[in-house]
Amino acid sequence: VQLLESGGGVVQPGGSLRLSCTAPEFNFYTYDIHWVRQAPGKGLEWVAFIRYDGSDKYYAYSVKGRFTISRDNSKNTVYLQMNSLRAEDTAVYYCVKDKSGSWTFDYWGQGTLVTVSS
Amino acid sequence: QSALTQPPSASGSPGQSVTFSCAGTSSDIGYYNYVSWFQQHPGRAPKLIIYEVSKRPSGVPDRFSGSKSGNTASLTVSGLQAEDEAEYYCSSYAGSNNWVFGGGTKVTVL
Repeated sequence: VQLLESGGGVVQPGGSLRLSCTAPEFNFYTYDIHWVRQAPGKGLEWVAFIRYDGSDKYYAYSVKGRFTISRDNSKNTVYLQMNSLRAEDTAVYYCVKDKSGSWTFDYWGQGTLVTVSS
Repeated sequence: QSALTQPPSASGSPGQSVTFSCAGTSSDIGYYNYVSWFQQHPGRAPKLIIYEVSKRPSGVPDRFSGSKSGNTASLTVSGLQAEDEAEYYCSSYAGSNNWVFGGGTKVTVL
C-alpha cells in the first residue's frame, strides 16, 4: 500500500489549503482513510476519518467546523480542505489507511508539511 | 497535552529488555481492546508494530510485545537492537468516533 500526500505549504493565519492523498492501488475505493498530524517536535494527533464510500466522516474537536474531509474514488484521492487556519495547525499531515476491524492505522504516507505563519 | 500519558524516555543496553507504559482512562484504554503502538524513526512516518493490545502485524519481530492492565497499556522490547532506537507512540480508540495518542517515549539503546 502506497499513500502519497501533496498540497502542503506556507499559508497565512486565517487562510485555506487543500491537501490530497492519492494511492495507485486498484482497490483504493475499499479503504477507510484517516488524516493524522504531527506538530514539529511533538506527538501525533488524529484529525479526521472518512469511510471507504464517503458515507461517514468524523473530525477531532480541534478542527471540527474548519476542516472538511472528502474523497473521489474515481481519482483514487482523498482530500482535506483546511479553512480558517491557525498557527497551531502547523504540522506534518499524514494520510493513513485504517486497519479494518482493528480501529487503528496500518499504512502511513510520508506526510506533507503545512506551515501557518504570517 | 496528549490524551494518553507516556514516559518521555526509556533506555537499555543491547540485548536487554525495556518496558514502558501508556496510561489512559476507563473511557479509552480501560474500555476498549484497541490499543496500538507505533515506532517512528527521525524524519520517517510512524509504523504500526502492535495492534489490538498484543497482536503483531506481519513482518514485525516477536521481540515487540504488548499488554494491558486496567487503564494502562505497556510495550516491551526484548533483545534490544541498535535499530530499535526510535520514538514510540501508543494510541487507543476512545469511543464516539475519536482516537487518542500518547505523547511518545524516546527509546535509547545505550
